Amino acid sequence: KNQVEQSPQSLIILEGKNCTLQCNYTVSPFSNLRWYKQDTGRGPVSLTIMTFSENTKSNRRYTATLDADTKQSSLHITASQLSDSASYICVVSDPNSGGGADGLTFGKGTHLIIQP
Amino acid sequence: GAGVSQTPSNKVTEKGKYVELRCDPISGHTALYWYRQSLGQGPEFLIYFQGTGAADDSGLPNDRFFAVRPEGSVSTLKIQRTERGDSAVYLCASRSSPGPRDTGELFFGEGSRLTVL
Repeated sequence: KNQVEQSPQSLIILEGKNCTLQCNYTVSPFSNLRWYKQDTGRGPVSLTIMTFSENTKSNRRYTATLDADTKQSSLHITASQLSDSASYICVVSDPNSGGGADGLTFGKGTHLIIQP
Repeated sequence: GAGVSQTPSNKVTEKGKYVELRCDPISGHTALYWYRQSLGQGPEFLIYFQGTGAADDSGLPNDRFFAVRPEGSVSTLKIQRTERGDSAVYLCASRSSPGPRDTGELFFGEGSRLTVL
């Protein structure tokens, strides 16, 4: 069964500090990996989409890395701001999926809290 | 509309009642998804539409749950004989190019929070 595991489950850091969130997956082969940000009470919003051939991708203060060999991805947040407080969800696509959510497997997310 | 619209944003109902949750996807998006999200969890797949037809409904938990998309645009998720365990946020998402090979953006609505008393 395809799985996406995220760590840590929750994280508290001070404003201005950096942090790294992890995503390990068993989906194989995979087509692409996405990171979403979900503010409390809101729907998820896409941060990055990476294909298997991409190793790193940046979006403002967010940098995602991907190691398709070890099936790991990370999301690094630089100079955190209070508005970064949210859940960050990793989603992996399986190109061979015959159905099953259109091949998308969601992680449970990392809940990040930025303290002033 | 500019984004995926879901109504109602909040719904409180009593156990045993029937509820309908509506999703209006981004205009032109052929693929529409329903997810259920419990507190502290990631979205859990329910059903996926490609056009008017349900391409995959394997995530629907039981026959109390049903969804339609009669004209290939707006979709309605219907829950019969609601139970307390149905309480969750129901998220709708749409994208223009379905299929896992495609990196087309998946746009989510703000969700409908269902509380069953």
